[in-house]
Amino acid sequence: DSGVTQTPKHLITATGQRVTLRCSPRSGDLSVYWYQQSLDQGLQFLIHYYNGEERAKGNILERFSAQQFPDLHSELNLSSLELGDSALYFCASSVGIATDTQYFGPGTRLTVL
Amino acid sequence: AQKITQTQPGMFVQEKEAVTLDCTYDTSDQSYGLFWYKQPSSGEMIFLIYQGSYDEQNATEGRYSLNFQKARKSANLVISASQLGDSAMYFCAMRESFNTGRRALTFGSGTRLQVQP
Repeated sequence: DSGVTQTPKHLITATGQRVTLRCSPRSGDLSVYWYQQSLDQGLQFLIHYYNGEERAKGNILERFSAQQFPDLHSELNLSSLELGDSALYFCASSVGIATDTQYFGPGTRLTVL
Repeated sequence: AQKITQTQPGMFVQEKEAVTLDCTYDTSDQSYGLFWYKQPSSGEMIFLIYQGSYDEQNATEGRYSLNFQKARKSANLVISASQLGDSAMYFCAMRESFNTGRRALTFGSGTRLQVQP
């Protein structure tokens, strides 16, 4: 158990809908990263937050957004969902932003029908 | 841009044997970090081992060791005394450079390891 929690574990929804994925980092970790794992794209970085502020964006679609709250948990919002958004979404956390290892949560498997 | 290459889509190894999973990387940075993660069929990503570009010694964590050859830009994972529970997907990853200010991981395509009894 990495100490990173993600909810829900599974999510099934329809095209055009909006969903919210939630992540709680390990106790004491200030950085939260979101990654998407799909069969065709592999593991891709989406976005990084540190202590409530956005630090870096990767291949995140405009239909996707995220935030990190004062209690350091983070939410990833996916809207106008398409079939191609079906993937495993991981949250990872680390203590800071320098040389720390990123520990991954169990992931949320999103299926868009 | 950084790139991680894992050329072995699948590997087989006999239980109790050692196995090496290959990873090569491409970066123009002098300072970087290399990681290996394990993803069992259940889906979670488990951190195994880390090597910093300035570390002079190869990293070791229990049965895992990282064969780091900086000049060749390779960071191969060696698993000694394979166990059935080692059957999983293994990903090599690089943390983006300190110069860019980005700390995200760039992943390779993975190697599926199957340990046979």
